[in-house]
Amino acid sequence: ETGVTQSPTHLIKTRGQQVTLRCSSQSGHNTVSWYQQALGQGPQFIFQYYREEENGRGNFPPRFSGLQFPNSSSELNVNALELDDSALYLCASSFWGDTEAFFGQGTRLTVV
Amino acid sequence: AQSVTQLGSHVSVSEGALVLLRCNYSSSVPPYLFWYVQYPNQGLQLLLKYTSAATLVKGINGFEAEFKKSETSFHLTKPSAHMSDAAEYFCAVSGRSSASKIIFGSGTRLSIRP
Repeated sequence: ETGVTQSPTHLIKTRGQQVTLRCSSQSGHNTVSWYQQALGQGPQFIFQYYREEENGRGNFPPRFSGLQFPNSSSELNVNALELDDSALYLCASSFWGDTEAFFGQGTRLTVV
Repeated sequence: AQSVTQLGSHVSVSEGALVLLRCNYSSSVPPYLFWYVQYPNQGLQLLLKYTSAATLVKGINGFEAEFKKSETSFHLTKPSAHMSDAAEYFCAVSGRSSASKIIFGSGTRLSIRP
């Protein structure tokens, strides 16, 4: 157990819809990162939040957006869902400056 | 730019045999290197990490990895495989800034034969 929890664990959405995924960080952590892991591939960095501001972004379009709250919990929002958005979405929390990130179990999103 | 290449998408070994999973990295700055394990339908668990202290890094579950700058490699080994080691393994690299993202390889699936 890493102390990082994600909800929901599984989700099915229709193409064109919007989705919100949630992440509760490990206690004391102030940095949250989100990753997309397509089937059979390694995780790809989406973005990172520190002190409620985006602090780095990977090669993902603007329809992927996020929020970090004062308690360091976080949301990933995806608008106008596409079939290729089907993936495991992983949240990782850490303390700014630490080398280790702790990953949640992930949310499996299926877009039909 | 940073990247990692994992050699072999699938490795199969017999129980009790040596496990060797290969990883080569590319980085324009001194990197941090990691190995993560992922069991089916689960998130990622850190096995070990290299952060410029000892070049031979020991991790959990009997795994270790050696950082070789001259070969730009960070191969993962375990002397004796156990059935419970069957999983997906990811090599990863990051920079040393607090804002650095973790860049993952494509993964190696380890199977253990009885």
